[in-house]
Amino acid sequence: QITLKESGPTLVKPTQTLTLTCTFSGFSLTTTGVGVAWIRQPPAKALEWLALIYWDDDKRYSPSLRSRLTVTKDTSENQVVLTVTNMDPVDTATYYCAYCASNSQFDYWGQGTLVTVSS
Amino acid sequence: SYELTQPLSVSVDLGQTARITCGGNNLGNKVVHWYQQKPGQAPVVVIYRDSNRPSGIPERFSGSNSGNTATLTISRAQAGDEADYYCQVWDSSTVVFGGGTKLTVL
Repeated sequence: QITLKESGPTLVKPTQTLTLTCTFSGFSLTTTGVGVAWIRQPPAKALEWLALIYWDDDKRYSPSLRSRLTVTKDTSENQVVLTVTNMDPVDTATYYCAYCASNSQFDYWGQGTLVTVSS
Repeated sequence: SYELTQPLSVSVDLGQTARITCGGNNLGNKVVHWYQQKPGQAPVVVIYRDSNRPSGIPERFSGSNSGNTATLTISRAQAGDEADYYCQVWDSSTVVFGGGTKLTVL
């Protein structure tokens, strides 16, 4: 059974750096083809893909946010970490991590974590 | 960058057929996935690779993709189908989501 869960601060101040952790079970991020993505959703708005890290440590980023995003993995801890620099109120959103295999659909999602950016 | 266009809202009478479209340049040459998202919940795959249903998704859900448009069809719509629906593709190793469609069952 594959599960993912996001954790991190619920409130950050403008200009601060956000660090979120996705802790997963039921699969290994060393298995060929496997990836973990970060996707966010501002309140009452659409899904927005942020980043993805693959089993071989290849990383992909949203072109519009690339300069602010870093994604890393710790395979021994079954965790993927996303950092977002220079947070702004428009970055207020529910942040999800999700599992995919072989560049296909996102079969499993975490419950999401709401991050509010406010002074 | 690649863009996917969805109608903001679609309404369907209870028991009738709803069709939600997703438009993109030569979309038929890409593989489309569809997600259903209910309030306060994470998205769930309802159609993958254009027309495949995951286990547990009713046969009432079907998908097609041709030309510049992919379509999610929900037959015999039920009240429980009310949700937001998103299409998604891969483009040049990045992920693109459509803007989402709110389905209302009347």
